[in-house]
Parts: sequence; C-alpha cells; structure tokens
Amino acid sequence: DAGVIQSPRHEVTEMGQEVTLRCKPISGHNSLFWYRQTMMRGLELLIYFNNNVPIDDSGMPEDRFSAKMPNASFSTLKIQPSEPRDSAVYFCASSFSGQWETQYFGPGTRLLVL
Amino acid sequence: SQKIEQNSEALNIQEGKTATLTCNYTNYSPAYLQWYRQDPGRGPVFLLLIRENEKEKRKERLKVTFDTTLKQSLFHITASQPADSATYLCALGDSYKLIFGSGTRLLVRP
Repeated sequence: DAGVIQSPRHEVTEMGQEVTLRCKPISGHNSLFWYRQTMMRGLELLIYFNNNVPIDDSGMPEDRFSAKMPNASFSTLKIQPSEPRDSAVYFCASSFSGQWETQYFGPGTRLLVL
Repeated sequence: SQKIEQNSEALNIQEGKTATLTCNYTNYSPAYLQWYRQDPGRGPVFLLLIRENEKEKRKERLKVTFDTTLKQSLFHITASQPADSATYLCALGDSYKLIFGSGTRLLVRP
C-alpha cells in the first residue's frame, strides 16, 4: 500500500494567491482528517470527513479555508486568499471509521506564503 | 481549555539507556492517549495507544503508562538506539478527535 499521498510536497506562493492542497487517503479508509502543524500551535485538527461528508470543521481557522471530499479517494484543502500566517505544514490522515485511534498520516505539504 | 505539556527541551541520552518522556495534561479527560514518532520532514507515525482504564502497555522496547489521577503519561524506550532519535508526540483522544502536545525531541548518542 502506498500510504496517504499528498501533493504538492512544497508550495511557495505570494500573499493573496489561492492555494490548493491535495490528499489521497489509503484505499478502503472512510475517515479523513486535515491537520496543520506550526511551531507556535503544534499539530491541530482542521476538519474531519466521514464517508466523504464533513463532520467537524470547528478547527478551520476562518472562511478563507475550505475543504472538500468529492469521492472516497480524493480530498482538497483550499486557502483563498492566502496570508503569511497560513505558512505551516499541512497533513492529511486517514483511518477506518470507528478505528479513529489508528490514524495514518501523509508526508505533509510545507506551505510558505510570502 | 485543554492543555498538554511535553518537555520542550531535547532529551539527550547515551545509547543503551532507557529514555523516559513525559506528557502532562489539564482540563481534559481523554478516552485514550497515544504516542507518535515524527521524523524531520515526515508525518507522525503511530506507536502506542493506551485507554483510560489501562495502566500500562508494552510493545517491544516501548512502554507507556497512563495515570488519570495525576493526568500524566510516561513513555519509555528501553535499550535506546541512535535510530530512536526523533520527536515524540503525545496525543489525547476522544472518539475521532486528537489533541496533540508539542512534542519532545529525543537524541540518542552512539
């Protein structure tokens, strides 16, 4: 199994630009999580999908952030417009529903907003 | 609000010794607690889970304890090796939701 796949691995953009991060969960997993990791705030849950439906988006920082899961094998996290304070590493993780304790993390996307 | 504390200073130990990492928390009663390993430039990797009604769990050279009265977990790596050098994250869990500590960096000297 290839594990959770994220793209791009690195993204550098200018303030005000739209950024789209992509995630392919492990095949068969029906729970998907987006996290953000910064030095100041550590690793934080942004949004949780179950069976492609957003269940908990309380961690999404503001309306500039949006996430979608159009099918079981693909999810996107979009930031529009991006700001320098959005610079962080964004991780996607997946698991089986009901086995959330075992979450498998992707390699992350390192985002730098100038 | 919930607070999780892990030693922010790196733990530097000699190969072969036991590494002990601490995770303290307040204002929370997790259903379970996990430990993850994170290497530079990589995502966290799950190591061990212990539930609120368990005191101790072991997996090979790893041992975790969980004291819900003290609100503390200890994570031990016995016979440590340079390959164990990484950042170790503690996470408190309740159903799908994980709250992570900031991690402790472990350096094992050969």
